[in-house]
Parts: sequence; structure tokens; C-alpha cells
Amino acid sequence: DSGVTQTPKHLITATGQRVTLRCSPRSGDLSVYWYQQSLDQGLQFLIQYYNGEERAKGNILERFSAQQFPDLHSELNLSSLELGDSALYFCASSVSGQGAMDEQFFGPGTRLTVL
Amino acid sequence: DAKTTQPPSMDCAEGRAANLPCNHSTISGNEYVYWYRQIHSQGPQYIIHGLKNNETNEMASLIITEDRKSSTLILPHATLRDTAVYYCIAFVVGGYNKLIFGAGTRLAVHP
Repeated sequence: DSGVTQTPKHLITATGQRVTLRCSPRSGDLSVYWYQQSLDQGLQFLIQYYNGEERAKGNILERFSAQQFPDLHSELNLSSLELGDSALYFCASSVSGQGAMDEQFFGPGTRLTVL
Repeated sequence: DAKTTQPPSMDCAEGRAANLPCNHSTISGNEYVYWYRQIHSQGPQYIIHGLKNNETNEMASLIITEDRKSSTLILPHATLRDTAVYYCIAFVVGGYNKLIFGAGTRLAVHP
């Protein structure tokens, strides 16, 4: 158990819909990261937040957005869903978010299926 | 961040050492080498990291060549639970910690 929690574990929805994935970081961690893992693209970095502010962006679609709240939990919002958005979505957290000594702890993931 | 190259798959007998190679020939002086693994569809798990010197922890050892162009992750006594995809990642010291995962090496440990 990494200490990072993600809800829900599974999510099944239809194309065109909007969903919200939630992540609670380990106690004391200020940074939250979101990753997407699909069969054809592998593990891809989406976005990072540090203490409520966006810190780094990866290949995140404009239909996707995220935020980190004052209590440091984070939400990833996916809208206008397409079949290709079906994937595992992982959240990770780390103490600071900068510097090579900062190990990331990953949550168990949310499996999203878009029908 | 430097590109890393790993073999797509490897086999190892249970109880033997598993040696997983990684090539990072374009690595720069301020890039660390990190190893993570992913067991089935669980979240990736940190294993070890290093810059120049060889490193060892309770999970594994990391051997980095003197020119830093390649490294080897060593699991000294592989068990069936070590069956996973192993990712070698290089990124810059002081840069933001976004991990860029490649395809990794799928290690199968068999009895």
C-alpha cells in the first residue's frame, strides 16, 4: 500500500459524457501527478500540481483538466469522452515535486471504460 | 531527458539473479537514472536510482558504467513476485519530476 488513494476503482460511461477521478496523496506530500496508461500508448505523464498550483504539463488533451485543492487532494476531469479515452489513470504523489531525490508513490489507479 | 532503450522481454529462473540492462547513451551529466516497476496493472513502484556510483537497497542493486551510457538493474534472488514490467528512466536533476516511461522490459520469473 503506497498511501495514495484513488476513487473510483472502476468507471464505465458512455461517449460524450464527463467524469471526475479523485486522488488523495500520501500524508505530507505536496505534489500530485496524473498519468494515463492505455494499451497503445503506454504510461504517459499528463499533469503535475504542487501545493495547489500547476507545475508541469505533459500530453494532456484540452478536454481534460485537473486541479489540486487546499487539502491537497486532486481531481482529474475528463469531458466529451471518446472511446480512445478508455485507460487506466494513475495518480502519484511526492514530497516536493522537484529534484531527483523525490520518489513518486503511485496509487492503485482508476480503470475508465468508455462505451 | 535522455532516451533509454531496454530489451522488450527477459526470462529468469526463480532464485537466480535477474540482470536488466538499460542503454542511455545520450545521458547528460545532470541526469539521474531511475528504475520503476509495474506488477500487472498495479501502480508503478519505485525501485532505485543513481547518478554515477553503484547503488544498493533492500530491493535491488544498480550498476552504472563509468561513462554512464548504460546501467544494469540487478535483482539478486528473483522470486515469482518479481514478474513485472521494469522501466528505466532518465531525468534532469532539478527539473520537474514528470516521469517519461518507455516500453520497459517485461521480466518473467519462472519456477
